[in-house]
Amino acid sequence: EDQVTQSPEALRLQEGESSSLNCSYTVSGLRGLFWYRQDPGKGPEFLFTLYSAGEEKEKERLKATLTKKESFLHITAPKPEDSATYLCAVGESSNTGKLIFGQGTTLQVKP
Amino acid sequence: DAGITQSPRHKVTETGTPVTLRCHQTENHRYMYWYRQDPGHGLRLIHYSYGVKDTDKGEVSDGYSVSRSKTEDFLLTLESATSSQTSVYFCAISVGPSYEQYFGPGTRLTVT
Repeated sequence: EDQVTQSPEALRLQEGESSSLNCSYTVSGLRGLFWYRQDPGKGPEFLFTLYSAGEEKEKERLKATLTKKESFLHITAPKPEDSATYLCAVGESSNTGKLIFGQGTTLQVKP
Repeated sequence: DAGITQSPRHKVTETGTPVTLRCHQTENHRYMYWYRQDPGHGLRLIHYSYGVKDTDKGEVSDGYSVSRSKTEDFLLTLESATSSQTSVYFCAISVGPSYEQYFGPGTRLTVT
């Protein structure tokens, strides 16, 4: 069964304190790993897609990496505006377009 | 921002009444999805569509039906709403099954 687990559930950082969020997945055939950001009361906002182990993508202070079993979202020198819930999802192996989401990591960055 | 709108944005209804939520896109994407988001469960797929009149069930489809008569519109119907269907509902669109999905702003539904 395809499964996604994110850790930690919650993370508090001081402004400028770098850290990483983890997304572990079990899927028989990876059809893409997706990172989203979600602010309270809003829909998830797409950040990155990764398709193969070793792939990396960056956007401002965020960098996503992928191995055969997990993905990391590295946050470098975070700012208070980076506070949000970060969601990870994998494309279901049947390639129907279904995404399996993790529970998310809620990040709070204090000034 | 992806051109996705959802209506209504908020709705309160009584148990046993039918409810229809609408998702409208201006991107001409082939794939459309309905999710619900609940504390402790994350985002779960209800139904999805891979073309006009082509739909299939997701993980939590019981009590829900969908219709897609035009590329731009995907309707989610709760035939007889129950309190367990109180949730935030999100619509998403995608160009294809291995591509990222773009989400709408959501509909907060409360069933009393």
